[in-house]
Amino acid sequence: AQTVTQSQPEMSVQEAETVTLSCTYDTSESDYYLFWYKQPPSRQMILVIRQEAYKQQNATENRFSVNFQKAAKSFSLKISDSQLGDAAMYFCAYLWGGSEKLVFGKGTKLTVNP
Amino acid sequence: DGGITQSPKYLFRKEGQNVTLSCEQNLNHDAMYWYRQDPGQGLRLIYYSQIVNDFQKGDIAEGYSVSREKKESFPLTVTSAQKNPTAFYLCASSMWDRGYTEAFFGQGTRLTVV
Repeated sequence: AQTVTQSQPEMSVQEAETVTLSCTYDTSESDYYLFWYKQPPSRQMILVIRQEAYKQQNATENRFSVNFQKAAKSFSLKISDSQLGDAAMYFCAYLWGGSEKLVFGKGTKLTVNP
Repeated sequence: DGGITQSPKYLFRKEGQNVTLSCEQNLNHDAMYWYRQDPGQGLRLIYYSQIVNDFQKGDIAEGYSVSREKKESFPLTVTSAQKNPTAFYLCASSMWDRGYTEAFFGQGTRLTVV
């Protein structure tokens, strides 16, 4: 069974600094997608970034980038130049096309200090 | 605008009652999901469906039921057998296509037992 593990329940960062959130996953499949979602206090889930497993190049979206290590089954999210609006719960997720089962980690609560 | 609509936003249930949470999408996505979110638990999968008239149990299906009579709709019924139903419920949908995939969420329903 596919599982997603986020080992950091809480993280904090100073405004304008960089922070990295960790995610590992377990799968025997080779073709899948990985996601990072942000959940602010409004509780609306917002897609931050996605990564196709067959692509070696790490995905980037403005200040957000990932470090995808397929062999190590690791998918960390780096937030550069952190802003107060980045404060939220961040969830790592896995999706395999064979079952279309979307599996989430338990989340990391990110606090941004002014 | 395309998206996922969950209703109601807030729902109150008396002990012993069944209640149904609505989820509708106009994204033409094949797969739909229901998640339960409790503090510190992340998102736990209740049920998911890949196609019309078919669905699979997730990790915490006991006390819940679903139907998928239309591609656009995936209602969740919280039955009286669910012993601790107070939680935040999220509906999502996804499309899988090698080379592209996306997963979107509704705004959630907060269910409270009174």
